[in-house]
Amino acid sequence: GQNIDQPTEMTATEGAIVQINCTYQTSGFNGLFWYQQHAGEAPTFLSYNVLDGLEEKGRFSSFLSRSKGYSYLLLKELQMKDSASYLCAPFDSNYQLIWGAGTKLIIKP
Amino acid sequence: IAGITQAPTSQILAAGRRMTLRCTQDMRHNAMYWYRQDLGLGLRLIHYSNTAGTTGKGEVPDGYSVSRANTDDFPLTLASAVPSQTSVYFCASSLRDSSYNEQFFGPGTRLTVL
Repeated sequence: GQNIDQPTEMTATEGAIVQINCTYQTSGFNGLFWYQQHAGEAPTFLSYNVLDGLEEKGRFSSFLSRSKGYSYLLLKELQMKDSASYLCAPFDSNYQLIWGAGTKLIIKP
Repeated sequence: IAGITQAPTSQILAAGRRMTLRCTQDMRHNAMYWYRQDLGLGLRLIHYSNTAGTTGKGEVPDGYSVSRANTDDFPLTLASAVPSQTSVYFCASSLRDSSYNEQFFGPGTRLTVL
């Protein structure tokens, strides 16, 4: 079957760095998305990885290892507005996104 | 319209009633999707449409139907609502002209079935 595994909740301090891990098992693989979702709002795109390695985008970076079925999202210089859920979503062989339950990130001052 | 819109924003519905959730996008995206999101669970795909005139079933299609008469609109109908359909419903769209398939989401409809 298809399975996405992310921590349910993480807590970090403003100004610090946090890494959110995601492991996945899908029928085929065609890339992986990370989305951010603030409470009561719609998910919004953060990053996309299709090849192994690190993609950097300002304070956010995303890493992919296809052989390990593993990705992480790295958030630097955390701000209070980064408090949100972070959703890992790989593409399967049919180009459908398979969504994890998300990691709720709580930022403390 | 800018992007993707959904209506209504929220709705309380009696069990057994029929309800249509509306979704419209103005980005000329080929593909559209309906998801439901429940507390503690990931987004679950209900139905999708890769192009106007075609639809497909997702992970949880039972009790729902869709149509795609044109590129812009993708309504979701609950023929006879049940309490287990209480959820937040998101419509999304994507260009889907290559393997890159970023999905853009509407603001969601919060539906309560009593």
